Amino acid sequence: AQSVTQPDIHITVSEGASLELRCNYSYGATPYLFWYVQSPGQGLQLLLKYFSGDTLVQGIKGFEAEFKRSQSSFNLRKPSVHWSDAAEYFCAVAPGAGSYQLTFGKGTKLSVIP
Amino acid sequence: SQTIHQWPATLVQPVGSPLSLECTVEGTSNPNLYWYRQAAGRGLQLLFYSVGIGQISSEVPQNLSASRPQDRQFILSSKKLLLSDSGFYLCAWSGTSGRRSYEQYFGPGTRLTVT
Repeated sequence: AQSVTQPDIHITVSEGASLELRCNYSYGATPYLFWYVQSPGQGLQLLLKYFSGDTLVQGIKGFEAEFKRSQSSFNLRKPSVHWSDAAEYFCAVAPGAGSYQLTFGKGTKLSVIP
Repeated sequence: SQTIHQWPATLVQPVGSPLSLECTVEGTSNPNLYWYRQAAGRGLQLLFYSVGIGQISSEVPQNLSASRPQDRQFILSSKKLLLSDSGFYLCAWSGTSGRRSYEQYFGPGTRLTVT
């Protein structure tokens, strides 16, 4: 069965610092990959997605993610964090090939110090 | 543009009482629909998904059921709530063609507390 691991439960960064959130997946083929963000008490918002092609994908709110097949990773990055980025971030994987179900990681909570 | 609504936003129910949560989608037709439960520190658990009216697939045996009486309406129900049913319930939709089938868009959620 496929799985998604987000090794960091909680990360704290200073405003203006760079950010990288890690995501590793376990799946035989290259799956479809997603990052979502959730503010407290809210639903999830899709930040970016990877299906194929260029391994560096751009998303909303200045986020980007890089797919590395050799490391089975899809890490999320942002060059300069804003206080409003404080939220929980979820990596998700879909196996493709007609199976539309997403498998989510357990999330990384991001705190931003002013 | 497409929007997804859930209600109620919050709900406090006693153990043994019935439950009905509603989700509706606007601006698209024949979407795939999903119900998830989110418990603290445990990520999202897919409960049900539907690819059409009356077509429901259950992912986890539990005290809950789902129905899709109309194309863009998805209902989560229980006849008798358990304490363990407490959580944050999220509805999501996706398209049905090509890669859009894999992009899920979430509603605002319902916070359910069973007392």
